[in-house]
Amino acid sequence: AQSVTQPDIHITVSEGASLELRCNYSYGATPYLFWYVQSPGQGLQLLLKYFSGDTLVQGIKGFEAEFKRSQSSFNLRKPSVHWSDAAEYFCAVGLSNFGNEKLTFGTGTRLTIIP
Amino acid sequence: DTAVSQTPKYLVTQMGNDKSIKCEQNLGHDTMYWYKQDSKKFLKIMFSYNNKELIINETVPNRFSPKSPDKAHLNLHINSLELGDSAVYFCASSQDPWTGTKYEQYFGPGTRLTVT
Repeated sequence: AQSVTQPDIHITVSEGASLELRCNYSYGATPYLFWYVQSPGQGLQLLLKYFSGDTLVQGIKGFEAEFKRSQSSFNLRKPSVHWSDAAEYFCAVGLSNFGNEKLTFGTGTRLTIIP
Repeated sequence: DTAVSQTPKYLVTQMGNDKSIKCEQNLGHDTMYWYKQDSKKFLKIMFSYNNKELIINETVPNRFSPKSPDKAHLNLHINSLELGDSAVYFCASSQDPWTGTKYEQYFGPGTRLTVT
């Protein structure tokens, strides 16, 4: 069964600093990969996705993520964070073939921004 | 023009009661989902429906029963509520159930259920 690991439960970053949130997945084939963001009291919003092709994908709000097959990783990055980026970030994996098709989420990383 | 809406936003009730949460999407999507987010923010799928037909039914107590009157609506009815049912329940929808775009899901704002 596929699984998703987000090793950092909580990250604190200064406003204007760069950000990298880690995500590792466990799955035999190349899965579909996603990052979702959940602002306080809100539902989840899709930031970006990887299906195939270019391993560096751009998303909304200035975020990007890089798929590294050799490391089974899909880390999220942003060069300069804003106070409004404070939220919970979820990495998610979907199967690429039929059978038990569902989106499996990591446990999330809470991002705090300090002035 | 909310894409995925849920009612109510907050629900406080006592153990043993029966309650329903409603979800509607105006995106024209064919597939809808229910997720449960526990107090540690862990998000897990409960059910999915495609055009009113049940596709995914995870290991969920049969006190939980989804109902889809049409493809724009997916309601969740919970019987005999227990303390452990306290969580945030999210509805979501996606367009195409047969390709990877099914994982591009649009989430509602959530319903915070508190069972006392």
